[in-house]
Amino acid sequence: SYELTQPPSVSVSPGQTARITCSGDTLPKKYAYWYQQKSGQAPVLVIYDDRKRPSGIPERFSGSSSGTMATLTISGAQVDDEADYYCYSTDSSGYHGVFGGGTKLTVL
Amino acid sequence: QVQLVESGGGLVKPGGSLRLSCAASGFTFSDYYMNWIRQAPGKGLEWVSYISSTSTYTTYADSVKGRFTISRDNAEKSLYLQMNSLRAEDTAVYYCARDKDGGGRGAFDIWGQGTMVTVSS
Repeated sequence: SYELTQPPSVSVSPGQTARITCSGDTLPKKYAYWYQQKSGQAPVLVIYDDRKRPSGIPERFSGSSSGTMATLTISGAQVDDEADYYCYSTDSSGYHGVFGGGTKLTVL
Repeated sequence: QVQLVESGGGLVKPGGSLRLSCAASGFTFSDYYMNWIRQAPGKGLEWVSYISSTSTYTTYADSVKGRFTISRDNAEKSLYLQMNSLRAEDTAVYYCARDKDGGGRGAFDIWGQGTMVTVSS
């Protein structure tokens, strides 16, 4: 089955730039999506179509994709950005979705 | 306001069945693809299934194919997940989520609060 691979954890100090990667074989042809999930809450969409930001999401969140890797960048990370982040895409058929394993972002 | 509210979770024995519901409000439900996504305790997110706006297309994760059935009633603004032959590994919080762009691409912009399903003897 298709898989997306994320690092288990990323740690930065407040104000630094956090980068979370997501690798998958179909990412050159399929969009990547990014979700933020804080403890005990439902996930929130922060990036769609590789690099687009939904309304209400701070500008410090950005996305990019090159080859088989998509990247979520949080510029000037804040303590409030501490959360689990998940990438999402589909397999080559487009009929089966898959989430990455998730990355725990620590900002301290 | 725009919201999704799941219901129907609970405790069920292995091999049993459960039907989850998701009530939509605040938007034109019939315009959107809808998804079920689950999260086992302490684990990551797992996509389960989606259904197109007019129910023409449905698809499932391999882990639930043949056991779960997604459906919708646009008149009632409701999404359903019929879960049969439940296993311990199906224990999870189940979320319904709206796909804002359709086509099963993955921009899940609205999520419910989730409903817990526990499969245990």
